[in-house]
Amino acid sequence: AQSVTQPDIHITVSEGASLELRCNYSYGATPYLFWYVQSPGQGLQLLLKYFSGDTLVQGIKGFEAEIKRSQSSFNLRKPSVHWSDAAEYFCAVGALNSGYSTLTFGKGTMLLVSP
Amino acid sequence: DGGITQSPKYLFRKEGQNVTLSCEQNLNHDAMYWYRQDPGQGLRLIYYSQIVNDFQKGDIAEGYSVSREKKESFPLTVTSAQKNPTAFYLCASNTGGLGQPQHFGDGTRLSIL
Repeated sequence: AQSVTQPDIHITVSEGASLELRCNYSYGATPYLFWYVQSPGQGLQLLLKYFSGDTLVQGIKGFEAEIKRSQSSFNLRKPSVHWSDAAEYFCAVGALNSGYSTLTFGKGTMLLVSP
Repeated sequence: DGGITQSPKYLFRKEGQNVTLSCEQNLNHDAMYWYRQDPGQGLRLIYYSQIVNDFQKGDIAEGYSVSREKKESFPLTVTSAQKNPTAFYLCASNTGGLGQPQHFGDGTRLSIL
């Protein structure tokens, strides 16, 4: 069965500093990987997705992620964090379960941005 | 604009009462999903449906029921058998293909009186 681990429950970053959020996945086949962001009391918004091809994928809001298959990682990065980036971030892996497409989510990383 | 509408945004349930959460989408998506979100637990899949009149149990289906009579609608009923229903509930949809991203509604927060 597939699984996703986000090792950091909380991360605090100074505004303007770089950001890296960690995600490790477990899946027996080619992984379909996603990063979502959630503001308090809201639904999830897709930041980026990886299906195949280039190991570095670009997303919205200046985010990017790199898949490293040897490490089963799919870390999210941003060169310079803005206060509006404070939110909870979820990594997810797509899989087939009994012929149906589903997503398995990590438990999330809460990003705090300090002035 | 196309999207997913969940209602109500806040819902209160009395002990022993069933409540139904609404989810409607106008994205023409075939697949719809219900998740439960608790602090520090991420999203856990309750039920999902790939086509009308068909649905599958997710990881935590006990105490919940769904129907899919129309492509656009996938209501979730939280029954009295669900002993700890207080949570944030999210509905999502996609085209159903492997690897397709899911689009989410803004959620319903359910609390027990």
